[in-house]
Amino acid sequence: AQSVTQPDIHITVSEGASLELRCNYSYGATPYLFWYVQSPGQGLQLLLKYFSGDTLVQGIKGFEAEFKRSQSSFNLRKPSVHWSDAAEYFCAVGARAAGNKLTFGGGTRVLVKP
Amino acid sequence: EAQVTQNPRYLITVTGKKLTVTCSQNMNHEYMSWYRQDPGLGLRQIYYSMNVEVTDKGDVPEGYKVSRKEKRNFPLILESPSPNQTSLYFCASSPEVRGETQYFGPGTRLLVL
Repeated sequence: AQSVTQPDIHITVSEGASLELRCNYSYGATPYLFWYVQSPGQGLQLLLKYFSGDTLVQGIKGFEAEFKRSQSSFNLRKPSVHWSDAAEYFCAVGARAAGNKLTFGGGTRVLVKP
Repeated sequence: EAQVTQNPRYLITVTGKKLTVTCSQNMNHEYMSWYRQDPGLGLRQIYYSMNVEVTDKGDVPEGYKVSRKEKRNFPLILESPSPNQTSLYFCASSPEVRGETQYFGPGTRLLVL
C-alpha cells in the first residue's frame, strides 16, 4: 500500500528566507507525486507534479521539487518566501493503477514571520 | 470557468439526520472522488468513480454512500451521520482514471452534533 510522510507538522520561516518541506513516500513502483497548497479556508491548489522525466520539477508561485528515487523523497523548495506563502502544504502520491487514488501526507503548516 | 463545485459549503446537523453533499464538475471528467480531511491525517479517500454507474470504495467508506448517475455529478450521502463524521470534505475530478492530476472543489465543512 502506498503511504506518504511529512515529518514536519509546523515550520516557521522569516519572509525572504528559503523554505524546504520534506516528503517521503512508500510505493511499489515509480509513483506520480504531487504537492498541493491549502490557504486558510480554501480548497487545494496544485503547486506541481512529477510523472516522469526530469527529476527537478518547476511549479507555480516560484516553487520547485526534486524527485529522488534512492531516498524515496519529493521535497518542496522555494528560494525566498513571501508572506502570502503562509498555508498548509500537502504532499501526495498517486497510483498508476486504475483507481487513481491520491494518498496524502499529514500536511505541513508554514508560518511566515515578517 | 472550469471548476468543481460543492454544496453546501457549511453544514451543521444532528446525529441520524440524513444529508447529501452535492458535487458537480463542468470539465467532462471521467473520474471523480470524495475525500475527508482531518487534522494531522491529511486527506483520505472515501469513494471514487471511474465513470457513470461505476463506483468503488476508498480507504474510509464506512457510513457513506455515493452515486454516479450522470457524468458531471457525484453526490456524497450520509444516511445516518454520527459525530465522528464531523470533518472537511473535498470532491475532486480528473480527466482520466490513471494518475492524472485531480482538481479539487472548495470543500464542505460538516459538523454533526
